[in-house]
Amino acid sequence: GAVVSQHPSWVICKSGTSVKIECRSLDFQATTMFWYRQFPKQSLMLMATSNEGSKATYEQGVEKDKFLINHASLTLSTLTVTSAHPEDSSFYICSARPLGQGRETQYFGPGTRLLVL
Amino acid sequence: AQSVTQPDIHITVSEGASLELRCNYSYGATPYLFWYVQSPGQGLQLLLKYFSGDTLVQGIKGFEAEFKRSQSSFNLRKPSVHWSDAAEYFCAVGAGLTGGGNKLTFGTGTQLKVEL
Repeated sequence: GAVVSQHPSWVICKSGTSVKIECRSLDFQATTMFWYRQFPKQSLMLMATSNEGSKATYEQGVEKDKFLINHASLTLSTLTVTSAHPEDSSFYICSARPLGQGRETQYFGPGTRLLVL
Repeated sequence: AQSVTQPDIHITVSEGASLELRCNYSYGATPYLFWYVQSPGQGLQLLLKYFSGDTLVQGIKGFEAEFKRSQSSFNLRKPSVHWSDAAEYFCAVGAGLTGGGNKLTFGTGTQLKVEL
């Protein structure tokens, strides 16, 4: 149980295009989902927190107009990287907190590797 | 602001040997501490967590960790490593989890290699 999937697992795109990454909780409902970014040999950095049906809360320094987050249902959140540039190339990881569980509980997806050419 | 340091980027141990992965944290209040493991192509899996109480915490897969407030450490240990333990290990501290916050701050990870 408590499986989180991400799609795609990797994507290559041209500079200037937009890329959408999906995060799904497969066997539970998630009131809250988190998006992280991980650069090589660096830690996971929280980008934003999204709650179903409301606007995402972005961490300081994260451009909300560039990284669009939608959490339209209790099982799906999407991250869209708009007008992607090479510096956006990274490993993007989502996590989900099950409905009714404590704040300390998060289940992580396998990540999406983005390469912008 | 909270921070986590994992001093060892890479560690290599022989199968059957003991393991200790180091984690030091900085946080102004009582920390909520976690260890996660990440295998290629898989999401981070929670090994164990510490909130309060007994400072020696038992986790899955035979792992344990000890919280030492005086040293601001939360080192992960396993008495006998198996080849399947080869993976990347992340220590994390949770900020404000009882106060309504959500944020996990991660260390940079330690890559464990197991020699057969």
